[in-house]
Amino acid sequence: DAKTTQPNSMESNEEEPVHLPCNHSTISGTDYIHWYRQLPSQGPEYVIHGLTSNVNNRMASLAIAEDRKSSTLILHRATLRDAAVYYCILRDLISRAGGTSYGKLTFGQGTILTVHP
Amino acid sequence: DSGVTQTPKHLITATGQRVTLRCSPRSGDLSVYWYQQSLDQGLQFLIQYYNGEERAKGNILERFSAQQFPDLHSELNLSSLELGDSALYFCASSVDGFTGELFFGEGSRLTVL
Repeated sequence: DAKTTQPNSMESNEEEPVHLPCNHSTISGTDYIHWYRQLPSQGPEYVIHGLTSNVNNRMASLAIAEDRKSSTLILHRATLRDAAVYYCILRDLISRAGGTSYGKLTFGQGTILTVHP
Repeated sequence: DSGVTQTPKHLITATGQRVTLRCSPRSGDLSVYWYQQSLDQGLQFLIQYYNGEERAKGNILERFSAQQFPDLHSELNLSSLELGDSALYFCASSVDGFTGELFFGEGSRLTVL
């Protein structure tokens, strides 16, 4: 899996937007950008993923640069519950007999997000 | 609650011993993944099973083994335990092992003394 680079830590205030950057300059055409987060004392949880277009769901938005060498996870209004480690992960799409599948999910060091009341 | 159940939640044992960690995937999920999380190594992928068969292998030591049973639950066996095996072990499941998101359990914390 291609490598991603994220800041070690970021801070935000409650109810303010948070933009978590991720650089992936060696991304290939079949790599999907996935974001997971890990709340304290819990297992990781899926946040969002995308390929080329910006994506929105109930948890967050994903903005993908036109050249796909970087992306930004946007939390529109941070809450204290959003304090977690956020992982940006590239998963390639592999052709296999009968269809396609994602490559394994390889976690990096992630960004520790601290949210202040 | 992700729907993935892991037991035991905590386990303390001695070096040289053997332990078994158990995982019940979400209802309907066919694929199970095992990850190890330690302070110095972060989250490391160990192994993936799909419908009872091994699908992908990561940084799993030879002292470790896993299997997925016909009822789709999975067990991770760790033997000849060393101090460095102390870690959180996470199980995750997904619908088909090919697409979509992984759902993680709350982990089993293993302490080797």
